[in-house]
Amino acid sequence: LAKTTQPISMDSYEGQEVNITCSHNNIATNDYITWYQQFPSQGPRFIIQGYKTKVTNEVASLFIPADRKSSTLSLPRVSLSDTAVYYCLVGGWDSNYQLIWGAGTKLIIKP
Amino acid sequence: GAGVSQSPRYKVTKRGQDVALRCDPISGHVSLYWYRQALGQGPEFLTYFNYEAQQDKSGLPNDRFSAERPEGSISTLTIQRTEQRDSAMYRCASSLSEGDEQFFGPGTRLTVL
Repeated sequence: LAKTTQPISMDSYEGQEVNITCSHNNIATNDYITWYQQFPSQGPRFIIQGYKTKVTNEVASLFIPADRKSSTLSLPRVSLSDTAVYYCLVGGWDSNYQLIWGAGTKLIIKP
Repeated sequence: GAGVSQSPRYKVTKRGQDVALRCDPISGHVSLYWYRQALGQGPEFLTYFNYEAQQDKSGLPNDRFSAERPEGSISTLTIQRTEQRDSAMYRCASSLSEGDEQFFGPGTRLTVL
């Protein structure tokens, strides 16, 4: 099962773009990369998922290089409400869709 | 539409008692997942179902833990002879199919005294 490594914590300021990078050196051919957000006292919430290159939705972008050994979640123009824990996960058919959740990255946005 | 619901939201029990935690997934969702989450940690996978079939139970800590989803909808996670180390937040999630976005419930906070 592919494990991921991401920074334990990050700080930024309102209005800035935040990039959180995750490494997943042993990602399998059929694994997807998925990011979730979790606020205190709530369950995780899906942000974005991708397989390769770039994926963009209304809240974030996900950049995946050709070797897929890392990925970067980009949050444009963050606000205080983006303060949360962000989890990077890899998984797919090869791993029986079991996802290994690390401790995530605690992102703190300051005014 | 209704999201994933879990009951009870809080459960306090004495060591040695059995507990049953319920998860009601989003209607029509094929896959249902159980996780356990300690404070400050990410969710720890326990088991998951497609319809009524348990696909993977490798994450269940020991044989005191079991789960079922008999009609492919509501699921129950049962912990027998609870121990203090079982105290945690137990979360359920469902997805339309395997590998899709998972929708999480509010969790059940279990405290074993």
